[in-house]
Amino acid sequence: SQTIHQWPATLVQPVGSPLSLECTVEGTSNPNLYWYRQAAGRGLQLLFYSIGIDQISSEVPQNLSASRPQDRQFILSSKKLLLSDSGFYLCAWSPGGGGANVLTFGAGSRLTVL
Amino acid sequence: GENVEQHPSTLSVQEGDSAVIKCTYSDSASNYFPWYKQELGKRPQLIIDIRSNVGEKKDQRIAVTLNKTAKHFSLHITETQPEDSAVYFCAASLNNDMRFGAGTRLTVKP
Repeated sequence: SQTIHQWPATLVQPVGSPLSLECTVEGTSNPNLYWYRQAAGRGLQLLFYSIGIDQISSEVPQNLSASRPQDRQFILSSKKLLLSDSGFYLCAWSPGGGGANVLTFGAGSRLTVL
Repeated sequence: GENVEQHPSTLSVQEGDSAVIKCTYSDSASNYFPWYKQELGKRPQLIIDIRSNVGEKKDQRIAVTLNKTAKHFSLHITETQPEDSAVYFCAASLNNDMRFGAGTRLTVKP
């Protein structure tokens, strides 16, 4: 069966520091991978999605970036965090191969920027 | 890109009553419409979904309806229970691009 791992679970970082959140999926190949952000009490904002290595779509221009160094690994990064980057970050995956498919979320990473 | 609107933002019902949450979408090409339930501090979990070639789908106390012409879809929960209390998200997807509504906080009062 497929599983998705996301870490760290919680993170407290000062303004201006870098960020790296990692997500890996097991038990499948060529998945679609996603990063969403959820601000406190708010909805799910799509940040990036990837249908393959070196194929990453950015939905929101900001100081975040995403990379997919391996087929089942998705990394969210920032060089300098802002206060507004605080939130609950969720990685998700869906089966690849085209068409709309069920999205499964990781457990999330709660980021607090001070 | 796709834009999904969800209403109401909060909903309070008495245990045993029904709850209805409504969503509209902007891209008529969207073809997959899932609903997720998120309990406090946890990840969203899929509860039901519907594809564009189907008008209605039911799973025990939960049902979803889709009106492609009007570009809206709804979640219906019957005989609500306190454990149904959570935030519910609708979403619309075209191929790999899935967009979510802002969420509805449902409270079921015992």
